Amino acid sequence: KAGVTQTPRYLIKTRGQQVTLSCSPISGHRSVSWYQQTPGQGLQFLFEYFSETQRNKGNFPGRFSGRQFSNSRSEMNVSTLELGDSALYLCASSFVERDTQYFGPGTRLTVL
Amino acid sequence: GIQVEQSPPDLILQEGANSTLRCNFSDSVNNLQWFHQNPWGQLINLFYIPSGTKQNGRLSATTVATERYSLLYISSSQTTDSGVYFCAGHITGGGNKLTFGTGTQLKVEL
Repeated sequence: KAGVTQTPRYLIKTRGQQVTLSCSPISGHRSVSWYQQTPGQGLQFLFEYFSETQRNKGNFPGRFSGRQFSNSRSEMNVSTLELGDSALYLCASSFVERDTQYFGPGTRLTVL
Repeated sequence: GIQVEQSPPDLILQEGANSTLRCNFSDSVNNLQWFHQNPWGQLINLFYIPSGTKQNGRLSATTVATERYSLLYISSSQTTDSGVYFCAGHITGGGNKLTFGTGTQLKVEL
C-alpha cells in the first residue's frame, strides 16, 4: 500500500503571495491532519479533515485554510504569506479517529 | 501547561551503545506514539503504544499509563538511528489532534 504523499516537496515564495499544498492519504484512510513544524515552535497542529468536513482546528490565523475532497485528498492554503510561515508542513492520515497516524514526507516552504 | 515532555533533549552515542529516551505526559494525554524524524524531515512511525511493552528489532517501548510516562529503548545503536525522536499523544476531547513533545535529538557516531 502506498504511503502518504505530499506535493510539492519544496516551495519558495515571496511575502504576500499565496500557496497551496496537496496531500494524498493512504488508500482507505479518511482522516487527514496537517501540522506545521518550525525550529522555534516545534510540531503544531493546523487542522483535521474527515469525510470532507473539518473536524478540528489548531490555533492559527484565518490565512491558513484547508479542504478535503471526496477521494480523501486534502489541500491546505496559506494566503498573504509572511516570513514566519517558512516551515515544514506535514500531512498525516489515519483510518479512524485516535488511531495511529502516518505522515507524509512534508513540504518545505520558504518565504522570502 | 506542558502536556508532553521529553528527555534528554540531546544525546550523543557511540555506535553499538544502548540508550533510553523518556516521555512524560499529562493526565489529558493518551494513545502515546513514538516517531523518528529522519534527516529529510519525514516522521516515521515507531510504536503506537497506549500501554504495555512492544518490541521491533533493536527498538522497544514501554508505556506505564498509570504513571504517565513512556520509554523508548534503542539497543546496539547504528548511525542510521540518528535523527529526532518524538513522542506524541491524543488530547482527551481533542479528536485526532496529536500533541507532540519537543523531541530528543540523537546523534550516533562511529
